[in-house]
Amino acid sequence: DAGVIQSPRHEVTEMGQEVTLRCKPISGHNSLFWYRQTMMRGLELLIYFNNNVPIDDSGMPEDRFSAKMPNASFSTLKIQPSEPRDSAVYFCASNTGGTQETQYFGPGTRLLVL
Amino acid sequence: DQQVKQNSPSLSVQEGRISILNCDYTNSMFDYFLWYKKYPAEGPTFLISISSIKDKNEDGRFTVFLNKSAKHLSLHIVPSQPGDSAVYFCAASAWRSRLTFGEGTQLTVNP
Repeated sequence: DAGVIQSPRHEVTEMGQEVTLRCKPISGHNSLFWYRQTMMRGLELLIYFNNNVPIDDSGMPEDRFSAKMPNASFSTLKIQPSEPRDSAVYFCASNTGGTQETQYFGPGTRLLVL
Repeated sequence: DQQVKQNSPSLSVQEGRISILNCDYTNSMFDYFLWYKKYPAEGPTFLISISSIKDKNEDGRFTVFLNKSAKHLSLHIVPSQPGDSAVYFCAASAWRSRLTFGEGTQLTVNP
């Protein structure tokens, strides 16, 4: 059974460029979460969706960040324009029932903005 | 406003001994607590959880203790094994709210 799939695994880009991170949740899971991991702040929840609807986006840093979930099997996190301080590992996770159920994480996308 | 804090960025123990990882929280509304383990180049994986109606939960070598009055939880690993070397995140949530993670503690178990 495939786990959460994220692409790309690594991304290096220049400041000002648009970055799109992709996530395919586990089939049958109806909640999807985007996290960012940095040394200083650990794992931060950016946004989560339930049944493709954004429920809590209070963790999205600023307007440069946007997330969509057009269907149950795909989500994107976009940064436009990217800045060096956006460099981090971005994780996607999914589960069957919201914030207090076990979340299954993807392998992450390591983003470096030069 | 870091509501969940892991004050030790790293911990080193000998194989076979006990590992104790600590976590403090400030939000008294938190009622569910979890520990996740993360290996390099992988996503975090769920390890063990505890709800606020309990003060202890055990699963094999792993035990989580919750002290609500002190707003403190800890993860005990006994006996520690080299394969336990990883980053451990504690996390907490209030009913139906977002999961808040700590900064993580790097555990190294030396053979």
